[in-house]
Amino acid sequence: KNQVEQSPQSLIILEGKNCTLQCNYTVSPFSNLRWYKQDTGRGPVSLTIMTFSENTKSNGRYTATLDADTKQSSLHITASQLSDSASYICVVSAGSGGSYIPTFGRGTSLIVHP
Amino acid sequence: ETGVTQTPRHLVMGMTNKKSLKCEQHLGHNAMYWYKQSAKKPLELMFVYSLEERVENNSVPSRFSPECPNSSHLFLHLHTLQPEDSALYLCASSQDPSGRANYGYTFGSGTRLTVV
Repeated sequence: KNQVEQSPQSLIILEGKNCTLQCNYTVSPFSNLRWYKQDTGRGPVSLTIMTFSENTKSNGRYTATLDADTKQSSLHITASQLSDSASYICVVSAGSGGSYIPTFGRGTSLIVHP
Repeated sequence: ETGVTQTPRHLVMGMTNKKSLKCEQHLGHNAMYWYKQSAKKPLELMFVYSLEERVENNSVPSRFSPECPNSSHLFLHLHTLQPEDSALYLCASSQDPSGRANYGYTFGSGTRLTVV
């Protein structure tokens, strides 16, 4: 069964600090992995996408890594800002022959305090 | 705005009411989706339309009825809902005509539905 597990479930940090969110998956065959940011009351917005051959992708202060061997990904946020407070969702899509439907994680809720 | 617009943003309805959610995309995408987001649960796929044809109906109760009149518009018709149907309903679109969304989703802001 395809699964995406995210940790921690929630995280509180002080403004300016760095943090790392984790995503483990069992989706097979693997096609790509995305990280989305979802602000409260809004829809998710894509931050990064990585395919099998990519092991790191940056988008401003957000850097995602992918280890396809261990089936793990992380999202590192540098110099956090109050606007980073949101839910971060890991989504893994299967390749040809795999499930039609992307598998979503439950998300990590990040709160950045001043 | 992301290019995917959902209305209304908030909806409160009784269990005997009939209402509809609307989604509109101006991105030229080929596929559109309805997702349900409940507290502390992953997003749940409800329906997929690719090139205006329904390609996925993920065991959704018949009290939810989708309609896709053209590639830019998607509706979710609701009738005789239950309180447990209260959730955030998200519409998304994708360039991927297969519906697999390997190109990624563009989500709307969602409709917060409360069934009383």
